[in-house]
Amino acid sequence: DAKTTQPNSMESNEEEPVHLPCNHSTISGTDYIHWYRQLPSQGPEYVIHGLTSNVNNRMASLAIAEDRKSSTLILHRATLRDAAVYYCLDNGGGADGLTFGKGTHLIIQP
Amino acid sequence: NAGVMQNPRHLVRRRGQEARLRCSPMKGHSHVYWYRQLPEEGLKFMVYLQKENIIDESGMPKERFSAEFPKEGPSILRIQQVVRGDSAAYFCASSPGRRNTGELFFGEGSRLTVL
Repeated sequence: DAKTTQPNSMESNEEEPVHLPCNHSTISGTDYIHWYRQLPSQGPEYVIHGLTSNVNNRMASLAIAEDRKSSTLILHRATLRDAAVYYCLDNGGGADGLTFGKGTHLIIQP
Repeated sequence: NAGVMQNPRHLVRRRGQEARLRCSPMKGHSHVYWYRQLPEEGLKFMVYLQKENIIDESGMPKERFSAEFPKEGPSILRIQQVVRGDSAAYFCASSPGRRNTGELFFGEGSRLTVL
């Protein structure tokens, strides 16, 4: 089962920043933190991943706490197309299969 | 560069029949992963394969389910004697190497309905 904890849902307004939190208190020192998102009726899509340092890419930023027990995915300017379920994952205890929980259902209001 | 291709996208089977789901990984990827997603649930890992080898099948049900990734051709997830509880979306993902540090590329999924 997933070892990460996320809120079931969050709501934000279009063109505003969104901060999606995730707790991964049992993460080991070598486990990466991955974020994926899943739009309705589609497969998951990679968003970002990191180990210790904060990471930025064209989709989002990932802020990782110093103790690595939590992280925050930041969408700098949400659009309606960002409405999706966002999954925060760790390596799942070393197994090769990523473990997905129920994620956070992000709702974007126009 | 085509993405991960899965077919069929939708499959309907009666109880007791067999279901075969196919996955062609992205070009240059030799690692394939299968996941199952029940309605309103998250994805559950099933199996991880490299060409001709099953690396991790810790998420596969013990009976009726099998997977292969032959040297030539797509990866196949096979479900024998399907039951209603097998109705789900089955997603395939691929990566160029072992997944632990990198990105997984997912297909659009195959949606199995068992009548």
